[in-house]
Amino acid sequence: EIVLTQSPATLSLSPGERATLSCRASQSVSSYLAWYQQKPGQAPRLLIYDASNRATGIPARFSGSGSGTDFTLTISSLEPEDFAVYYCQQRSNWPPGMYTFGQGTKLEIK
Amino acid sequence: EVQLVESGGGLVQPGGSLRLSCAASGFTFSSYEMNWVRQAPGKGLEWVSYISSSGSTIYYADSVKGRFTISRDNAKNSLYLQMNSLRAEDTAVYYCARSFEGSYYSYWGQGTLVTVSS
Repeated sequence: EIVLTQSPATLSLSPGERATLSCRASQSVSSYLAWYQQKPGQAPRLLIYDASNRATGIPARFSGSGSGTDFTLTISSLEPEDFAVYYCQQRSNWPPGMYTFGQGTKLEIK
Repeated sequence: EVQLVESGGGLVQPGGSLRLSCAASGFTFSSYEMNWVRQAPGKGLEWVSYISSSGSTIYYADSVKGRFTISRDNAKNSLYLQMNSLRAEDTAVYYCARSFEGSYYSYWGQGTLVTVSS
């Protein structure tokens, strides 16, 4: 099983600042990595897929990068609505039982 | 507008059963692979089960294999999860999620809470 490790566990920033979240895989997942945002009491929302492609309707301030084992989600200038928990997910190997999520990074207001 | 609405959650005793449903609308349900993903209280996300668009291919997480059964009725635009022999560790919010690019989850329902407790 591929393990995804997200860091930091909690990130405290202010609106307008730049956020950089990391996701590291225990073995290469090529570019098969997605990022999700989850706000309290809500379902996750797909932000980025295949490491760097924004999903439909996602603002341009969200960007993803990386390949292999190291990936980054960047939020260029934080808006109040961006404070949430972010999860990465890999889809490197079929079948779906091999897909795994990271443990999450909580982005909180400083 | 794509909508996924789960129902059927509730409180059940250990060893009991529940059947979750997910009503889909706003897209051609029969064309999409579907999944159940769960989230224990205060914890992260865990994929539970997958079903192909026709229902011919099914996968389960090891943690639920032999106890849970996924199914779908394309005529009713509905997805189901039959959960038997429930354990305390199955307590979670259960989401139905539509597959994207075969393996990401592009649309999610609002979730239904399953609590297994005596």
